[in-house]
Amino acid sequence: DAGVTQSPTHLIKTRGQQVTLRCSPKSGHDTVSWYQQALGQGPQFIFQYYEEEERQRGNFPDRFSGHQFPNYSSELNVNALLLGDSALYLCASTGKGLGNTIYFGEGSWLTVV
Amino acid sequence: QQQVKQSPQSLIVQKGGISIINCAYENTAFDYFPWYQQFPGKGPALLIAIRPDVSEKKEGRFTISFNKSAKQFSLHIMDSQPGDSATYFCAASILDYGQNFVFGPGTRLSVLP
Repeated sequence: DAGVTQSPTHLIKTRGQQVTLRCSPKSGHDTVSWYQQALGQGPQFIFQYYEEEERQRGNFPDRFSGHQFPNYSSELNVNALLLGDSALYLCASTGKGLGNTIYFGEGSWLTVV
Repeated sequence: QQQVKQSPQSLIVQKGGISIINCAYENTAFDYFPWYQQFPGKGPALLIAIRPDVSEKKEGRFTISFNKSAKQFSLHIMDSQPGDSATYFCAASILDYGQNFVFGPGTRLSVLP
């Protein structure tokens, strides 16, 4: 049973560019959330998707957007990249009956130069 | 009010010793308090979680103590092992609000053999 899978694992982008990160939730899970983890800090909630809609959003600018597909997979898009966007981006998933138990992927390391 | 404070920032314990990590929160609406363990290059993994209707929860060598009046909770790792060396994050959320977790800044634990 595959866990939460994310791609790519590492990438380097130039300031001002756009990036798309992808996530496949754990089998049977229908809810996906995204977190940003800066080096040496705890994860920060970006947003959550359920039934292909953004249900909740953290304190992140509109440059951060997302999408959930009918198969429950999700994308995180970041436009006009800033140096401060360099971080580990974590995807987490959960499903019915799991309450607030979420399962994280290994993340995508984004470096903005 | 959304902040979760965590201490110490780093902790060194001898094998077989007890590791204690403390967290404090302000928002009294929080009703779910998990602890996550993160190894380098991996996503956070749920260790143990507690609801505020109980004062203590134990799972194997891991125990959460919860003090609702003080708005504090702590993780105790009994008989600490070198394999426990990782970064530990406390978190808090409101169950009805989904996966919008507020994480502490993390504690880097090193268990010496």
